[in-house]
Amino acid sequence: EDKVVQSPLSLVVHEGDTVTLNCSYEVTNFRSLLWYKQEKKAPTFLFMLTSSGIEKKSGRLSSILDKKELSSILNITATQTGDSAIYLCAVNDAEYGNKLVFGAGTILRVKS
Amino acid sequence: GAVVSQHPSRVICKSGTSVKIECRSLDFQATTMFWYRQFPKKSLMLMATSNEGSKATYEQGVEKDKFLINHASLTLSTLTVTSAHPEDSSFYICSAINPGGGTDTQYFGPGTRLTVL
Repeated sequence: EDKVVQSPLSLVVHEGDTVTLNCSYEVTNFRSLLWYKQEKKAPTFLFMLTSSGIEKKSGRLSSILDKKELSSILNITATQTGDSAIYLCAVNDAEYGNKLVFGAGTILRVKS
Repeated sequence: GAVVSQHPSRVICKSGTSVKIECRSLDFQATTMFWYRQFPKKSLMLMATSNEGSKATYEQGVEKDKFLINHASLTLSTLTVTSAHPEDSSFYICSAINPGGGTDTQYFGPGTRLTVL
């Protein structure tokens, strides 16, 4: 059975701090890993990663995949209160078409 | 681009009634849509995969007769919760794949909060 594990489960930091969120996975036939940010409503797409070692960047957020270690990290630098959210990691297993398997999420709270 | 809408955003119903939730892709055609359920402070649980023009594929443990899915067009999928009970109260979210954005990227609707009294 496919498994996606995120750590930490929750995190409280102060504005300006840098955070690193982790995601590890076990799937039969890895195709891609996706990061989403969820505030009060539905998740919004952040990144999709398919290749090891290539960093994807968007403003203060960046992410990288390590297929050897079966893991990915999401970095947020100079955190702001608006970064407070649940960050979800999901993996696409080619064995099951387009289905995504989600991790439990990391709840990030940024204090001012 | 890649906007997905859901309606209603919030619904309260009495136990025993049925509730229909609509999911629409607004600016693209989606042959595949997904329905998820999310409990408070928990992750998304996939309920079913909705395929345009064919029967939905349900995940293990999800009752297909209770959660009816219809994907009648390339831009609309509906989830009907039949004979709703308080334990069906949850946040229901749909997603759709935008073929133009790559087949792996799912775009989510804003969700529907269902409360069954």
